Amino acid sequence: AQKITQTQPGMFVQEKEAVTLDCTYDTSDQSYGLFWYKQPSSGEMIFLIYQGSYDEQNATEGRYSLNFQKARKSANLVISASQLGDSAMYFCAMRESPGNQFYFGTGTSLTVIP
Amino acid sequence: DTEVTQTPKHLVMGMTNKKSLKCEQHMGHRAMYWYKQKAKKPPELMFVYSYEKLSINESVPSRFSPECPNSSLLNLHLHALQPEDSALYLCASSRWDEAPTDTQYFGPGTRLTVL
Repeated sequence: AQKITQTQPGMFVQEKEAVTLDCTYDTSDQSYGLFWYKQPSSGEMIFLIYQGSYDEQNATEGRYSLNFQKARKSANLVISASQLGDSAMYFCAMRESPGNQFYFGTGTSLTVIP
Repeated sequence: DTEVTQTPKHLVMGMTNKKSLKCEQHMGHRAMYWYKQKAKKPPELMFVYSYEKLSINESVPSRFSPECPNSSLLNLHLHALQPEDSALYLCASSRWDEAPTDTQYFGPGTRLTVL
């Protein structure tokens, strides 16, 4: 079974609008971490935001927030006030603990339209 | 400072060439990783070094040879590559403390083309 599932291969959003990128995960561990990375066409994987399985509040980092629904095993990324520079591939990832394996989803390509 | 650097940015090599990719981090991280990434796909783990020892080798062909000279440096030696090895090669580092918060930080990658 896939550890991380991203069901949206491509998404479009109007500039200044908000967009939600979906991510569901599969684990039987109680302790795990969820991560989102942004990969522009230049190639670098940029760490955006982290959510721990025991964190009661949703993580936020500037315009990025993580909508964490533990019972549904989902960790959706919300980008508010989209900018043209947000156009990129976005990967959801999970790290189980203990253990050092990092699982990536297949990614979502986001295009911001002027 | 969450910077991981990689050189070169681009590399074109023939199938008989020998070349090396370099990666460096100064975050005091004890784990360093090599990933291979094809276009529009997620990164695929190749090797993990923890405390300068190879701890994970994901059945990578021997034409890829990793080396960790010290805790800040990671090399990937390339020899007799095939055209299908053309990809983006990403280096990453992390604390390696087995906690769920152990974030991997990535470098900008090396775009490799094998002719």
